[in-house]
Amino acid sequence: AQSVTQLDSHVSVSEGTPVLLRCNYSSSYSPSLFWYVQHPNKGLQLLLKYTSAATLVKGINGFEAEFKKSETSFHLTKPSAHMSDAAEYFCVVSDPRGYNKLIFGAGTRLAVHP
Amino acid sequence: DVKVTQSSRYLVKRTGEKVFLECVQDMDHENMFWYRQDPGLGLRLIYFSYDVKMKEKGDIPEGYSVSREKKERFSLILESASTNQTSMYLCASRQKTGTTYEQYFGPGTRLTVT
Repeated sequence: AQSVTQLDSHVSVSEGTPVLLRCNYSSSYSPSLFWYVQHPNKGLQLLLKYTSAATLVKGINGFEAEFKKSETSFHLTKPSAHMSDAAEYFCVVSDPRGYNKLIFGAGTRLAVHP
Repeated sequence: DVKVTQSSRYLVKRTGEKVFLECVQDMDHENMFWYRQDPGLGLRLIYFSYDVKMKEKGDIPEGYSVSREKKERFSLILESASTNQTSMYLCASRQKTGTTYEQYFGPGTRLTVT
């Protein structure tokens, strides 16, 4: 069965420092993986997606994620946090059985301090 | 830009009431989804519609039903609202891009059942 585990429910960083949000996945198939972001009172927005092409995936707003099959990980990183990055982030895997439904992690809330 | 709109941002209903949540997308997508979002649980799929008048149960369909009479509109119905249905409800539609699907989310409806 497909699943994702986000290893931290809350992450706090200072503005200008690196961001690391951790995600491990479990999949019986070659997975499609996504990161979504949700700003307060807004809908979810796709940050980036991995679909078995390049293992290092670049997304919007300077975020990137690296697919590591040996570690079953898909961690999200950004070199320098900005105040506007404060939001909730969801790691997501697509289940190819049936209708490719999305399976969401529990979410990581990122706080950015001045 | 894809736009997914939901009829209400905030809704307060009483226990036992019948509740309708409406979702409209403007991009002619065939597939539409309803999720609920609860803290620490991420998003969980309630129902999915892969075409007009077609629906599939998701992971937590109990207490809910759906209607898809037109391609652009997908309604979630709570037949008899209960307090444990207090939650954030998110609608999404999706399109196929290459070998994967990309989902677009509405802003959500925060429902409180008292």
